[in-house]
Amino acid sequence: KQEVTQIPAALSVPEGENLVLNCSFTDSAIYNLQWFRQDPGKGLTSLLLIQSSQREQTSGRLNASLDKSSGRSTLYIAASQPGDSATYLCAVGGYSGGGADGLTFGKGTHLIIQP
Amino acid sequence: KAGVTQTPRYLIKTRGQQVTLSCSPISGHRSVSWYQQTPGQGLQFLFEYFSETQRNKGNFPGRFSGRQFSNSRSEMNVSTLELGDSALYLCASSLAVPANYGYTFGSGTRLTVV
Repeated sequence: KQEVTQIPAALSVPEGENLVLNCSFTDSAIYNLQWFRQDPGKGLTSLLLIQSSQREQTSGRLNASLDKSSGRSTLYIAASQPGDSATYLCAVGGYSGGGADGLTFGKGTHLIIQP
Repeated sequence: KAGVTQTPRYLIKTRGQQVTLSCSPISGHRSVSWYQQTPGQGLQFLFEYFSETQRNKGNFPGRFSGRQFSNSRSEMNVSTLELGDSALYLCASSLAVPANYGYTFGSGTRLTVV
C-alpha cells in the first residue's frame, strides 16, 4: 500500500526566503506526482505535475523535482511571498493489481509566510 | 473553459439520512474521482469512474457509492449517514485513466452530519 509522507508538517518563515518542502513515497510504481496548494476551506489548486519519466518541472517561482528510485520529491519555492501562505499537498498516482489507482496524498505542509 | 463544478457547496444532514453529491467534470474529461478530506485522516481516495464504469475503489464501507452518466457527470451517494461522515468531499476530473495529464479538482462539498 502506497504511503506518502510530507516534511515538515508546518513551516513559518519571513517573506523573501527560499523554501524546500519534502515529500517521500514508499512504492516507486507511480505514473506521476502532482503538487497542489489548498487555501483554507477551499479545493485544491494544481501547481506542478511531474511524469514518472521526468526529473523536474518548473513554473514561475516554483520548481519540483522527482527521484522515483529513492521515492522522493521536493518543491522549491523561491523568494516567498505572503500570498504563498497555504497548505501544500503532494500526491502520487500509482498502480495496484494491474490497474491505475487514484491519488495517494500526504498530510500536507502548512506554510505561513510572515510579511 | 469551465472548471470542475460541484454541487451543492454546503450540506447539513441528520444522522441516518442519505445524501447525494454531484460533480460535473471539465468538458472533454471522461474520468471523475472522489475524495474525502477530514482533519484527522487527510485526503482519502473514495472511487474513480471512467466511461460510466467504476475503475477503482478506496477502502470505504459500502454506504459510499457512486455512478457516472454518459455525459461524464458523476454523483456520489452516502447512505445511513454517521457523524464521522462530516467532511469536505472533493471531486477531480482527468482526461483518462491513468491520469497522465494530472487531475483538476473542484471546490468541494462541505457535508456536516448532526
